[in-house]
Parts: sequence; C-alpha cells; structure tokens
Amino acid sequence: GENVEQHPSTLSVQEGDSAVIKCTYSDSASNYFPWYKQELGKRPQLIIDIRSNVGEKKDQRIAVTLNKTAKHFSLHITETQPEDSAVYFCAASFDNLFFGTGTRLTVIP
Amino acid sequence: NAGVTQTPKFQVLKTGQSMTLQCAQDMNHEYMSWYRQDPGMGLRLIHYSVGAGITDQGEVPNGYNVSRSTTEDFPLRLLSAAPSQTSVYFCASSWTSRGDNEQFFGPGTRLTVL
Repeated sequence: GENVEQHPSTLSVQEGDSAVIKCTYSDSASNYFPWYKQELGKRPQLIIDIRSNVGEKKDQRIAVTLNKTAKHFSLHITETQPEDSAVYFCAASFDNLFFGTGTRLTVIP
Repeated sequence: NAGVTQTPKFQVLKTGQSMTLQCAQDMNHEYMSWYRQDPGMGLRLIHYSVGAGITDQGEVPNGYNVSRSTTEDFPLRLLSAAPSQTSVYFCASSWTSRGDNEQFFGPGTRLTVL
C-alpha cells in the first residue's frame, strides 16, 4: 500500500514568516494530494488539495506544489498568523487516503 | 445539513467489552470510512465503504467490524476491546465512490480501554 512520510514533525516560526512542510509518497498511482488542518480537539479539515495533472495550486496565503517525478509535494504558508497554529497532515490517494504523521506548526506572535 | 455526526463523543470501556461507534451523514455521500488517530501516527484507515452493502478493510482492520445497510449510516463495532484500541476515532464521508476527493470528517469519538 501507499506510504506517506512527512517532515518536519514540529515547526516554529515567527508571525509573518513563511512555513514549509514536505511530504513524500511511495505509490506512483496516487493522483490526489490533500492537506488537512487540525486544531486541538477538533476534526481535520481540508485546506487545499492538488491533483496529479497540476504542478502548483494557490489559495490566498496557502500554496501546494507537486513533483510527480520525485514523488513529493509541499505545503507553503506565507505571512503566517497565530491562527495558523495547528497540526497539518498531508495525504495521498489513488482510491483510499493515506496520511502522513503530521506537523505541529506553532506561530509565535 | 448536520454533515457527519458521531456518537458518543467519549467512551470508557473495560478490556473484553464490546461496543458500537455510530456514524451518520446527511449529504448522500457514497464513500464512508473510519480512521483511528494515535499520537505521532497520523490517521490510519480501519474500514471503508463505497456504497450501501459494500465494505472493505483498510490498513488496520483487526478487532473491528463494520456494516453499511443504508447510505447514511456506517457503524464501527469493537468486538472485544483491548487497551491497544485506546484512540480517537474519526468517521468521514466523500461524495464520490472513492477516497480521492475531499473527505468530510465527523467530530470524533475519544475511546479509552482500561
């Protein structure tokens, strides 16, 4: 089955700086790559996703890039704010979703 | 729409007890799934269903059963609870018959097995 690795496990940035989280996947058949944000005690919620026929996607301060050849994809958050503090999960899917182990992002005011 | 609902929110069991975690969605989604979330391990797929009457195993199915008699409901049964099943359980649904679209998660059930 699919194996998704995510780095780093924790990340601290100053408010206003950028944050980058990286993931790799193993199954070349995977074609859907979402990112979920989970606040403490809450359910995971989709923040952005990308499909294999697209190399980059942006939504305001959030962007995701995909390199199918290298089998890795990344989440970029610019101009970070304290409310961006949460755990972020990447995932990869061909038919079912397989999640990375998460990155705890802390934005320091 | 209530979205995806789960009950109970919290549960404490003794080793060997059985119970059913309830999950329902009112979005007419075909795909439903159960995940468990453990510290440092992300979310792992337990079982999934691509439609009423169809279920299949995910990554970590041992010790759990599911059924899908209606489009709306997808209960998860713990047959004989073990301390290793202490976790937070999330149910999710998606509008396609596969997991390769946005999945909407329920609020979760925090289960402790003593």
